[in-house]
Amino acid sequence: GESVGLHLPTLSVQEGDNSIINCAYSNSASDYFIWYKQESGKGPQFIIDIRSNMDKRQGQRVTVLLNKTVKHLSLQIAATQPGDSAVYFCAEVLRGGAQKLVFGQGTRLTINP
Amino acid sequence: NAGVTQTPKFRILKIGQSMTLQCTQDMNHNYMYWYRQDPGMGLKLIYYSVGAGITDKGEVPNGYNVSRSTTEDFPLRLELAAPSQTSVYFCASNPRENYGYTFGSGTRLTVV
Repeated sequence: GESVGLHLPTLSVQEGDNSIINCAYSNSASDYFIWYKQESGKGPQFIIDIRSNMDKRQGQRVTVLLNKTVKHLSLQIAATQPGDSAVYFCAEVLRGGAQKLVFGQGTRLTINP
Repeated sequence: NAGVTQTPKFRILKIGQSMTLQCTQDMNHNYMYWYRQDPGMGLKLIYYSVGAGITDKGEVPNGYNVSRSTTEDFPLRLELAAPSQTSVYFCASNPRENYGYTFGSGTRLTVV
């Protein structure tokens, strides 16, 4: 079936640096993508989303880039803080009435002091 | 608003036992979902529902059953627990009008 995958399972960055988390998706029919943050023992927390008719979307310290040509999604976190340490998932919303989410494996981001 | 509430938070089952994971949402969302998350992995869809009385299988439905008698409740039933069902289970809801998914805090299930 369709799947969403991530390139790097772990990523370590220094506090204050920028981080980039990548994601490859396989379902070209998906028209909506979401990045989630998951802290230990908690459920996924919404970070930012993007529709397929957009290339870039910015939030507070986060930016999502979408390259539909190569089916690639990235999450950029600026000026990382210790609280950014978590696992990050990309997810795509499958077209259809139920709006099912398909998640990738996840990337564990560690912020070093 | 409590959002999506899952109970219990933790449970240990013996092989062959049964249990029901409870999920309740108070946001009047039409869509509800059950996911499982194995260690180091993303969430996989078990079952979903687009409204009361309507349920359908997701990617990994074997060994589970669901019901949706009301808009608010979407319980997940394990009839004969197996070690392969050791996982963290998340319930989520979503209003039909947008993609505003809300997740519960999860149920950590261990089958021994």
